[in-house]
Amino acid sequence: QVRLQESGPGLVKPLQTLSLSCSVSGASVNRGNNYWTWIRQPVGKGLEWIGRIYTSGSTNYNPSLKSRVTMSVDMSKNQFSLKLASVTAADTAIYYCARDNYECDRSNCYPRHDYWGQGTLVTVSS
Amino acid sequence: QSVLTQSPSASGTPGQTVTISCSGSSSNIGSNIVNWYQQLPGSAPTLLIYNYNQRPSGVSDRISASKSGTSASLAISGLQSEDEAEYYCASWDDSLNGWVFGEGTKLTVL
Repeated sequence: QVRLQESGPGLVKPLQTLSLSCSVSGASVNRGNNYWTWIRQPVGKGLEWIGRIYTSGSTNYNPSLKSRVTMSVDMSKNQFSLKLASVTAADTAIYYCARDNYECDRSNCYPRHDYWGQGTLVTVSS
Repeated sequence: QSVLTQSPSASGTPGQTVTISCSGSSSNIGSNIVNWYQQLPGSAPTLLIYNYNQRPSGVSDRISASKSGTSASLAISGLQSEDEAEYYCASWDDSLNGWVFGEGTKLTVL
């Protein structure tokens, strides 16, 4: 069974950098057709895709956050990380890590977020 | 404001069939797969449907989905109280080069 678990500070001051890690068990971050993803959800609101990273280190980021986002993978710890710089109150949200798995047949690949962490609330406040 | 549009709410009585819609554009639903997620109160989202209408193991066959053009829909038949949750559609967007989600539809079982 694949499990993901977010960790990091629950409170970040404005203009500082939010840093979260996601520990993966039951799967290897350096194997398989998987992108490792961050998604956030302001309390009481909808889901927003932040971005994803592949084993090779290639990334895709949400254009609206791209200038402030950095993602990385640590294969030795089997985890991946998110850094979001210059945070404001608008970045207060539940942050989820998830696996974006590509199941492929001979003709197509079918991506989906099949495993999610439980989420961690990050509040931006002084 | 989300790229994919969903009605904020839907409701039905036990046993009924409810349909939730998701509207997008040619850069997302019109040219890519649609996935659906269920989020129970206080929990993380879980995958409900992928590749338009495929159910992961463990998901009830009361759940089905379809796509037509730039819109998709999720149907839940034989509605049960345990179906009360928020439902999100998602698709890859070629213009944004990333995943986009719907705003979510809150399903209430009356």
